[in-house]
Amino acid sequence: DQQVKQNSPSLSVQEGRISILNCDYTNSMFDYFLWYKKYPAEGPTFLISISSIKDKNEDGRFTVFLNKSAKHLSLHIVPSQPGDSAVYFCAARSRGGQFYFGTGTSLTVIP
Amino acid sequence: GAGVSQSPSNKVTEKGKDVELRCDPISGHTALYWYRQSLGQGLEFLIYFQGNSAPDKSGLPSDRFSAERTGGSVSTLTIQRTQQEDSAVYLCASSLGTSLTLQYFGPGTRLLVL
Repeated sequence: DQQVKQNSPSLSVQEGRISILNCDYTNSMFDYFLWYKKYPAEGPTFLISISSIKDKNEDGRFTVFLNKSAKHLSLHIVPSQPGDSAVYFCAARSRGGQFYFGTGTSLTVIP
Repeated sequence: GAGVSQSPSNKVTEKGKDVELRCDPISGHTALYWYRQSLGQGLEFLIYFQGNSAPDKSGLPSDRFSAERTGGSVSTLTIQRTQQEDSAVYLCASSLGTSLTLQYFGPGTRLLVL
């Protein structure tokens, strides 16, 4: 059963606008959340993370928001750039040290 | 190299044959993870090692799958009697530990079982 879900398989955004990628999880004991970015034929690369004790973490154009009561995570990219076009995976870490990934959202930023 | 490396990068095999996939983690990283990504699926956790031991093998899909890690470094994922549904990209990642640290992924091995 999928413990981390990304319900939007794809998203298209105009260059310069905001991209919002969403992620839902079921396990309230997850203590750390991450976003990974993946280009074709490459392994995922770390993008940004957030601890469960925080509700927001910002790094340049990327901001991750955590809503623990809703078990919801989102990644905001603003302004979006064509180079941001990739598949974005949401991941959550259990107390046992395992990482659970969503199925990914393919972002296309249109120039 | 400085990153996680995996070999082979691509593997085509016939149904019923055994395959071995290799992962070289970043030097000094004690934790090593195996995942697979099937077409249209998310990253599926298979197994992780802390040092040479694997505390959790529950993610392995069947008893045809096994993994070992020797010397706290290189890991091998073995799939016996491969089936077509084993076709996927197998990704390896390493990290300094299983505590609040990041995983660094290798480029993956693309396995195709005919």
